[in-house]
Amino acid sequence: TQLLEQSPQFLSIQEGENLTVYCNSSSVFSSLQWYRQEPGEGPVLLVTVVTGGEVKKLKRLTFQFGDARKDSSLHITAAQPGDTGLYLCAGANPVYGGSQGNLIFGKGTKLSVKP
Amino acid sequence: DSGVTQTPKHLITATGQRVTLRCSPRSGDLSVYWYQQSLDQGLQFLIQYYNGEERAKGNILERFSAQQFPDLHSELNLSSLELGDSALYFCASSVVPGVADTQYFGPGTRLTVL
Repeated sequence: TQLLEQSPQFLSIQEGENLTVYCNSSSVFSSLQWYRQEPGEGPVLLVTVVTGGEVKKLKRLTFQFGDARKDSSLHITAAQPGDTGLYLCAGANPVYGGSQGNLIFGKGTKLSVKP
Repeated sequence: DSGVTQTPKHLITATGQRVTLRCSPRSGDLSVYWYQQSLDQGLQFLIQYYNGEERAKGNILERFSAQQFPDLHSELNLSSLELGDSALYFCASSVVPGVADTQYFGPGTRLTVL
């Protein structure tokens, strides 16, 4: 059983479209992080959200942490081909060593943005 | 470039063999994490070291072991390899352990077991 479920698993859209990726769990996380991973490279941190209800914006990307700290979403406005990649959410859960920084990852959403 | 280096980039070996993966953390980072990424399981935490000491263990098999040396580089040893061990292995580092500290990931080692 995956502690963090991401949806959709795959997403293929045209340049200029908007999209939302979801990360859900039945467990509470002290924080959630979003990473982007490109082929042949390691994940790169985009944002960390720590407060329930928190919204963070990074240019065209908007990240939200659920009020109950069990879920998060990533919204991309006017997607560009450069946004193509694997988007991973990761959470720190105290039961699983989260206080030490150990992260539980979702399986990711593979996004393809076509010109 | 995250500043974390991993060698080798690719490794092809046979079942039953033993391999060692190496990781050099970013300058100044004391904590090292090892992760395994496979198609079916995604990215999974294996083990964490902080300043030479093992700090936490995740889903690490008994056939796998790791250590962090005084110069802070780390090695992940995989023995009695099986086909299912084929995966990407990532090392990440942070200044100190803790969720507030950003983990920087290396480029990974792709292990193929034939």
